[in-house]
Amino acid sequence: AQSVTQLDSQVPVFEEAPVELRCNYSSSVSVYLFWYVQYPNQGLQLLLKYLSGSTLVKGINGFEAEFNKSQTSFHLRKPSVHISDTAEYFCAVTETSGSRLTFGEGTQLTVNP
Amino acid sequence: EAQVTQNPRYLITVTGKKLTVTCSQNMNHEYMSWYRQDPGLGLRQIYYSMNVEVTDKGDVPEGYKVSRKEKRNFPLILESPSPNQTSLYFCASSPPRGVGDNTEAFFGQGTRLTVV
Repeated sequence: AQSVTQLDSQVPVFEEAPVELRCNYSSSVSVYLFWYVQYPNQGLQLLLKYLSGSTLVKGINGFEAEFNKSQTSFHLRKPSVHISDTAEYFCAVTETSGSRLTFGEGTQLTVNP
Repeated sequence: EAQVTQNPRYLITVTGKKLTVTCSQNMNHEYMSWYRQDPGLGLRQIYYSMNVEVTDKGDVPEGYKVSRKEKRNFPLILESPSPNQTSLYFCASSPPRGVGDNTEAFFGQGTRLTVV
C-alpha cells in the first residue's frame, strides 16, 4: 500500500521569500509523484509531476520539485513567492502500474505582504 | 474543452433524504473516482471505477454508492445522508496506464455538501 505525508499543515511566508513544502511517501513499488494546487473555492490543478528521468521537475507558476528516492521525498520549492500563490497544496502518489491516487493531508501556503 | 463537470456545486440537505451528485467527463477516460476532502485529512477516495460496470471501494466507502452505466458518467449516491457526510466532494477522471504520458487526473470543481 502507498501513503503520503505532508510534514507541514500550514506554511506562512512573506511575499518574495523562498518556500519549501515538504512531502514524504511510502510505497513498496515504483511510483509516480504529483503536486496539485487548490485555490480557494476551486478544484485541484496539476502543478507538476515526476514520472521518470531527471529528478528535478519544473512545473507551472515557477514551482519545482525534487524527487529523492533514497529519502522517499518529493519536496516542492519556489524561490520567490507571490500573494497569488496563496492556496492549499497537495502531494499525491500513484503506483506506476495503477491508476489510484493517494493524497497527503495538504499544506496551506499563505503569502503575506 | 476537456473537463470534468460536477453538479450541484453546493447542496444543503436533511438527514436521511436521498441525494445524487452527478459527474460527467468528456475525455473518454476509463478511470473515474470520487474523493471527499476534509480539513487536515486531505482527499480520501470513496469509490472508483476502472471502466463501465466495473466499480470498487476506496478508503471510505461507507454510506455511499456509485454506478457506472456509461463511460462518461459516474454519479455518487447517498441513500441516507448523515451529518458526518458533510464535506467537499470531488470527482476525477484519468486515462488508463500505458497510454503515453497520460498520467494526469482531471478534477471537477467540487460539490460542497452540508447535511443537517
